[in-house]
Amino acid sequence: SQQGEEDPQALSIQEGENATMNCSYKTSINNLQWYRQNSGRGLVHLILIRSNEREKHSGRLRVTLDTSKKSSSLLITASRAADTASYFCATDAYGGSQGNLIFGKGTKLSVKP
Amino acid sequence: GAGVSQSPSNKVTEKGKDVELRCDPISGHTALYWYRQSLGQGLEFLIYFQGNSAPDKSGLPSDRFSAERTGGSVSTLTIQRTQQEDSAVYLCASSFRTSGTPREQFFGPGTRLTVL
Repeated sequence: SQQGEEDPQALSIQEGENATMNCSYKTSINNLQWYRQNSGRGLVHLILIRSNEREKHSGRLRVTLDTSKKSSSLLITASRAADTASYFCATDAYGGSQGNLIFGKGTKLSVKP
Repeated sequence: GAGVSQSPSNKVTEKGKDVELRCDPISGHTALYWYRQSLGQGLEFLIYFQGNSAPDKSGLPSDRFSAERTGGSVSTLTIQRTQQEDSAVYLCASSFRTSGTPREQFFGPGTRLTVL
């Protein structure tokens, strides 16, 4: 079953603009992660934010987490054509015994040069 | 260092045939995961191995699917009597795993399975 749901499903912007993607989830979590996928192949880990953190930065990436609203956002600043990809949020279940991540359906980002 | 590798990269098979997909995780990673991704969809968890513990098979969609991990390293996902709905990209990931919170996962490039 889906835990994270990204919004929007697709986003098209011009190079240099900022891109914001949102993720909502259903249960309590230990952490939330964002991944990037090019061309329907392997995913690359971008950033992990823990449940006791509210904001985290990595280069041009900024992630926020609001556990009261069960939501997170990923902001990519000064986007580049190379940022074109699908972006997924992934969560674990709080205290979950499984260890696997639960992924949303993703946001497909297109950055036009 | 080497990342997660998967083979084959593409597999075309006929309905009813069995297929084996292989995953070589990053050396030293104790956790190994299999996911399935249908066209335009998110990742669907299939199975999870952690060290010598019994695998978590809760995501396997039917008893036609099975997986093993030999020597705590290489894993093979087997699909018996393939059906057209099994067509998808099968992704393997590995990670360090300590008790408690899952860590970041490192993904292989996937195997694209097409069942005719």
